[in-house]
Amino acid sequence: RKEVEQDPGPFNVPEGATVAFNCTYSNSASQSFFWYRQDCRKEPKLLMSVYSSGNEDGRFTAQLNRASQYISLLIRDSKLSDSATYLCVVSLYNTDKLIFGTGTRLQVFP
Amino acid sequence: DAGVIQSPRHEVTEMGQEVTLRCKPISGHDYLFWYRQTMMRGLELLIYFNNNVPIDDSGMPEDRFSAKMPNASFSTLKIQPSEPRDSAVYFCASSLVISGVRNQPQHFGDGTRLSIL
Repeated sequence: RKEVEQDPGPFNVPEGATVAFNCTYSNSASQSFFWYRQDCRKEPKLLMSVYSSGNEDGRFTAQLNRASQYISLLIRDSKLSDSATYLCVVSLYNTDKLIFGTGTRLQVFP
Repeated sequence: DAGVIQSPRHEVTEMGQEVTLRCKPISGHDYLFWYRQTMMRGLELLIYFNNNVPIDDSGMPEDRFSAKMPNASFSTLKIQPSEPRDSAVYFCASSLVISGVRNQPQHFGDGTRLSIL
């Protein structure tokens, strides 16, 4: 079983739609959680950290469910520029390593 | 400010040849990470350094791969001999150390697209 699992997609949604991605992780000792974004043929970039209480950054909302070991990312009012691959990332307790999921591809169309 | 700088951007070579990838981290960053990305396996951590010292190389596929960090501003990833299955995008990333706070954002370079024929 992969340590971090994501639906690869693609998710094809119209502009203005709300879309949600889920991610599950296998190790209950995971401590830190992030979403990174990767544009086609570019490097990954941090989108947002995920906190236990859930957190929001503009149109983006991240949630963490430790009991079920999943993380979610909600994007409201999708823009064309949101088209990218979204990588779910976790790290274990007391380590500096990040474990990346293989990503969920989002395509927003006009 | 300059970000993480990797070279070359693209490398095409024949199997059996030695390949050297280079990385210059962001000045002041104490952590340096080497990743490999493929369609099938996604982004995999190969090795990482803290203050130029290798901390975890458990992701290095085999003895053909080696990495060094001779100083705070330079690291290399070497593959010798190279094989077609090594074809991938290799990313270098760096991050800052803040006392007591782990997992600061990692800043990635543009990557090296490696093709072994």
